[in-house]
Amino acid sequence: ETGVTQTPRHLVMGMTNKKSLKCEQHLGHNAMYWYKQSAKKPLELMFVYNFKEQTENNSVPSRFSPECPNSSHLFLHLHTLQPEDSALYLCASSPLEAWETQYFGPGTRLLVL
Amino acid sequence: RKEVEQDPGPFNVPEGATVAFNCTYSNSASQSFFWYRQDCRKEPKLLMSVYSSGNEDGRFTAQLNRASQYISLLIRDSKLSDSATYLCVVFPPGSARQLTFGSGTQLTVLP
Repeated sequence: ETGVTQTPRHLVMGMTNKKSLKCEQHLGHNAMYWYKQSAKKPLELMFVYNFKEQTENNSVPSRFSPECPNSSHLFLHLHTLQPEDSALYLCASSPLEAWETQYFGPGTRLLVL
Repeated sequence: RKEVEQDPGPFNVPEGATVAFNCTYSNSASQSFFWYRQDCRKEPKLLMSVYSSGNEDGRFTAQLNRASQYISLLIRDSKLSDSATYLCVVFPPGSARQLTFGSGTQLTVLP
């Protein structure tokens, strides 16, 4: 399945690095999401975009900076991360009329050293 | 109390067994409920929605008990391919487009 793609699939970075995660959806959806999944914890919603406009920011630290240039692309810019930010970062998309039916990308597994 | 609570398992069952998972939610005004499935090191995928009247999709049956605030998933005639983590997902009120996920219940179907 290539409905929602994410790159890179794995990323190791130091605390002083700057990196970006990329997500692309080929499903014609209008809403896109970033989630964080840590070991043994529930998925945590980080950001929501509808038609390129950010509608939700769940108290995410400013070291995570999202960008949505169009309805098909979503980025998560990372800088000065902490080791506790190591997790699986999942992108998802959904149609606005059925937003609860979310299609997830394969995720980027991030390790912060 | 967690918003969505699940028994983490693991549940280890033989092929052909029937297994049931429960999930409880804290907000009685929650409106919509779902089960997602997440295979090992893969992304979550919607398995089925949960309707008030209960619903069935092949070997899978989902039920909602609003009075007790729990959702269940029953899997009949388990297959090896059913091995995965099952995520209970709730849409609480006042949280536009914010699904709340449980931590998941791990199922392993043994040959």
